[in-house]
Amino acid sequence: NAGVTQTPKFRILKIGQSMTLQCAQDMNHNYMYWYRQDPGMGLKLIYYSVGAGITDKGEVPNGYNVSRSTTEDFPLRLELAAPSQTSVYFCASRGGSSGNTIYFGEGSWLTVV
Amino acid sequence: AQSVTQPDIHITVSEGASLELRCNYSYGATPYLFWYVQSPGQGLQLLLKYFSGDTLVQGIKGFEAEFKRSQSSFNLRKPSVHWSDAAEYFCAVGDTGGGNKLTFGTGTQLKVEL
Repeated sequence: NAGVTQTPKFRILKIGQSMTLQCAQDMNHNYMYWYRQDPGMGLKLIYYSVGAGITDKGEVPNGYNVSRSTTEDFPLRLELAAPSQTSVYFCASRGGSSGNTIYFGEGSWLTVV
Repeated sequence: AQSVTQPDIHITVSEGASLELRCNYSYGATPYLFWYVQSPGQGLQLLLKYFSGDTLVQGIKGFEAEFKRSQSSFNLRKPSVHWSDAAEYFCAVGDTGGGNKLTFGTGTQLKVEL
């Protein structure tokens, strides 16, 4: 059981470039989330989805976009990368037999230079 | 809005000593409460959770936490710390409405002295 899978694990972007962080879960979870983690700040919610076709903003959505065309996938897109988006990004999911427990992927380390 | 405070940024304990990590939350109703652990360069692993019922919850790796409504606290404890427990620990509160979004504290970095 793969759980929550994030790709890539590491990426360096130049300012102004675009990229997509991929997230997939194989647990048939309805709820999916994207968080970013900055040193000393804990994790902040970027976007979340309660099911296919439904997305909503979290605490820090500016500079990001998401889509949820299938239950399994929840990609996070950065359109014009900025140094402030240098962070560690975590995808997570919840649902089914996991109840209210949220399970996290292993993270994607992004550096914008 | 919900919030979580972890007042201790860094804690150092000797191996074999007891441990208590503090967590205070703000939420308008009975919350869902979680403790996660993160080793360097790794993702978050769930240690334990509280949804309802018994206020003392047991988790993995010998950890436990006690929900105290009157103090709005959910402190994490371990009677005897092992060197492998060195990591960063995050307390989180989940809203019980739609989405069950987690709000995290800023984390406590645990160092274990041998």
